[in-house]
Amino acid sequence: AQTVTQSQPEMSVQEAETVTLSCTYDTSESDYYLFWYKQPPSRQMILVIRQEAYKQQNATENRFSVNFQKAAKSFSLKISDSQLGDAAMYFCAYRRDNAGGTSYGKLTFGQGTILTVHP
Amino acid sequence: ETGVTQTPRHLVMGMTNKKSLKCEQHLGHNAMYWYKQSAKKPLELMFVYNFKEQTENNSVPSRFSPECPNSSHLFLHLHTLQPEDSALYLCASSQGLGWRGGSNTGELFFGEGSRLTVL
Repeated sequence: AQTVTQSQPEMSVQEAETVTLSCTYDTSESDYYLFWYKQPPSRQMILVIRQEAYKQQNATENRFSVNFQKAAKSFSLKISDSQLGDAAMYFCAYRRDNAGGTSYGKLTFGQGTILTVHP
Repeated sequence: ETGVTQTPRHLVMGMTNKKSLKCEQHLGHNAMYWYKQSAKKPLELMFVYNFKEQTENNSVPSRFSPECPNSSHLFLHLHTLQPEDSALYLCASSQGLGWRGGSNTGELFFGEGSRLTVL
C-alpha cells in the first residue's frame, strides 16, 4: 500500500522569507500524481500544486514550487516570499494513475504540517 | 452557490441520537467522497461514490451509513456513534470514472467540513 510521510509536524517562517515543507512517499507504481493541499483555519482544504510523476519538470504556481525527486520518492513544497495568509495546515497527497480506472479521487494523505507565519 | 458546501458546520450528538450530514457540490463532478479528519492523523477515506454508485467502503463501521441520491448530493447518516467518532468530516468531489471532460487528474475539491462531537 502507498504511504505518505510528512516528518515535520510544525514549521514556522518569517513573513517574506522562504520555507520548505518535506514529504516522502512509498509506492511501487511508476505513474502517479502528487499534490499539496492547504487547509487554513477556516478548514476548507484547497489544492496548492500538483505534480505528474511522468513530468521531470518541477511544478510551480506563483510563489509555490515543488522539488520532485522521483528516485528518492521525495516531494517537497517551497513557499517563497511567505505571507500571513500562507499560515495553514499543509497536506501532501498521493494518487496512483490508472487512466480510466477507479483511482480517480482516492488520495492517500500525509499527517500534515502546521505552518506558522510570523510578521 | 459554487463549490462544495456542507451542513451542518458543527454537530453535537449523544451516542443514541440519529443525525445526518449533508454535502452538495455545484461543480458538475460525478464522484463524491467522505473523508474523516481526526487530530494528528492523516485524512481517512471513508466512502467513494461514482455516478451515485458506491465504489469504495473503506471498512467503515455500519453506524455510518452513506447515501448518494444523485451526483450532486451526498449524505452521511449517523447512528449510535461512539465518542471516538468525534472528528471533522470532510466531503469532497472530483471528476470520476467515466469523466469525459478531458484529462482526469483526480483533484479533489473539498467542503469546509462538519465538526462532529459525540458525547
